[in-house]
Formats: sequence, structure tokens, C-alpha cells
Amino acid sequence: NAGVTQTPKFQVLKTGQSMTLQCAQDMNHNSMYWYRQDPGMGLRLIYYSASEGTTDKGEVPNGYNVSRLNKREFSLRLESAAPSQTSVYFCASSVSAGEQYFGPGTRLTVT
Amino acid sequence: GENVEQHPSTLSVQEGDSAVIKCTYSDSASNYFPWYKQELGKRPQLIIDIRSNVGEKKDQRIAVTLNKTAKHFSLHITETQPEDSAVYFCAASIGISYYQLIWGAGTMLILQP
Repeated sequence: NAGVTQTPKFQVLKTGQSMTLQCAQDMNHNSMYWYRQDPGMGLRLIYYSASEGTTDKGEVPNGYNVSRLNKREFSLRLESAAPSQTSVYFCASSVSAGEQYFGPGTRLTVT
Repeated sequence: GENVEQHPSTLSVQEGDSAVIKCTYSDSASNYFPWYKQELGKRPQLIIDIRSNVGEKKDQRIAVTLNKTAKHFSLHITETQPEDSAVYFCAASIGISYYQLIWGAGTMLILQP
């Protein structure tokens, strides 16, 4: 099993550009999450999907949108990137609530 | 809004000694408290968690204690080893939902030989 995979690993965007971060899991988990990690601030939840067909805002949803494409895939879209969105983005999944399994992360820089 | 405070931000201990990391939370309805370990350049991984109906939980050299009255919980690592060097994060659920977690800022644990 690959677990949780994310693409791309690295990305550089110019201010105003858009992009989609992809996440997939092969553990048959029901719930999926998107976090951002900034130095000295821990992890902050952007959006989550408790089950296929549902999505909910987390702590810092502004500037992002998500799509739960199917049970395996959960994408994060930045419509108009801003320098404040420079961060490391982690996708995670869990059976239901409880232990979350993280992907390897995407390092995004917005110039 | 809800928050979790974690202390210290950096902890240096001699190999073989114990390490203690403390967190306090603000949401009195929180009922799930996981601890994650993140090695440099790697993804966070769960090392232990505790639910509000339990005061203490142990797993080999790692233990977590919870004081709901005081709204704080702690991670204890005994007989520290080089592989324990990492950043440790505490988190607390928002309300009764286990899906939404508020995370502490992290503690970098440094092992001195």
C-alpha cells in the first residue's frame, strides 16, 4: 500500500496564479483532511471531509476550495495564490475520527 | 477562538533521561488529545492519544496524562534515545468532534550524547 500520496512535491507560483494540489489514499479511509504547516505555528486545518460527499471548513479556509472527488481522492485548489499561502501543505486521512495518516507534503512558494 | 499552548518550544535532554512536554487547551468540550512526532523533513505520525474518559495511558517508554479540570495534558518520554530526536506536536479536538483538531506549535526535542 502506498498510503497517502500527494502531488506535486514542490511548486512555485506567481501571485495570482491558480493551482490544484492532489491527494489520494489507498487505505479505504472515510475521512480526509488538508492542513498547512508554517514555521513555529504547528498544523492548521484548512478543510476536511468526514465522508465521501461532504466537506467542511476548518480553521483557515479563506483562499482555498476543496473537492472530494471520490472516496480515495481529495483535492485542494488555490484560485488566486498570494504570498501568505507560502507553506507546506499536508493531506491526511483516517478511518473515521481518530488517528490521522499523513502524506509526504507539498512545499509551495508564492512569489 | 480555541487554542492549544505547548511548552517548551525547545527541550534539550541527556540521552537516557526523561522528557516532559506540556499542553493546555481552551475548549472545555475537547475530548480527544493526540500526540504526533515529526522527524526532520518527514510527515507527522501519531505516537499516542488519549480520550477524556481516561486519565493516563502508557505505551512502552511513552505516556500521556490528562487533567480535564485544569485543561492540560502532558507527554512523558522515559529513557530517551537518539531516535527520539524530533518535533512533537500536541492537539486537542474542537468540541466533541474528533475530526477538527487544534494543534500546539510544537516542541523540538534535542538529545545530548
